[in-house]
Amino acid sequence: EAQVTQNPRYLITVTGKKLTVTCSQNMNHEYMSWYRQDPGLGLRQIYYSMNVEVTDKGDVPEGYKVSRKEKRNFPLILESPSPNQTSLYFCASSSGLAGGPSDTQYFGPGTRLTVL
Amino acid sequence: TQLLEQSPQFLSIQEGENLTVYCNSSSVFSSLQWYRQEPGEGPVLLVTVVTGGEVKKLKRLTFQFGDARKDSSLHITAAQPGDTGLYLCAGARHYSSASKIIFGSGTRLSIRP
Repeated sequence: EAQVTQNPRYLITVTGKKLTVTCSQNMNHEYMSWYRQDPGLGLRQIYYSMNVEVTDKGDVPEGYKVSRKEKRNFPLILESPSPNQTSLYFCASSSGLAGGPSDTQYFGPGTRLTVL
Repeated sequence: TQLLEQSPQFLSIQEGENLTVYCNSSSVFSSLQWYRQEPGEGPVLLVTVVTGGEVKKLKRLTFQFGDARKDSSLHITAAQPGDTGLYLCAGARHYSSASKIIFGSGTRLSIRP
């Protein structure tokens, strides 16, 4: 089954404790992206990757890091989490340019992060 | 930062009624997408519109891209309880080797039986 998986699904942590949210897709997609979703703000893109070793900032990259060492994996790293990073996080992947006329962006189930 | 404004934010209507959700921006987009999101799940793509003035239909849902590619609408005919969910529009701008996507804040739709 084609899917995007994220782990963990839920995480409660404390300020300053480094954490990683993993994302993996089994569709051999080149494009992957991380979003955060906050009430009233919709989804905002954090980082995206066009291919292995190619990443770029989205609209809200501060406080986050990503890496793309393999095509299927795109982990999101919070080196020193703060309470304002409490949010619902989504990973997504697509075969070509996300938003392209023939490309579907598939989303993972989400990771709900709480930073105390 | 480009903005995509959706209206209304919340909509609760009776089963069988029609409704329209709007997505507006001052920026031009290469394409515009509509997603539906259920609680506890990620958004699922409904449609992508690319050409100004384009209209696409998906059963009782009609999507239109504005002539200037700055706005879009989603019209649902004879709404059913199964249409309940969060509807998100997303505008994409494509560059030579990248793609930037902006999401609207969403319209939470509730259809009462």
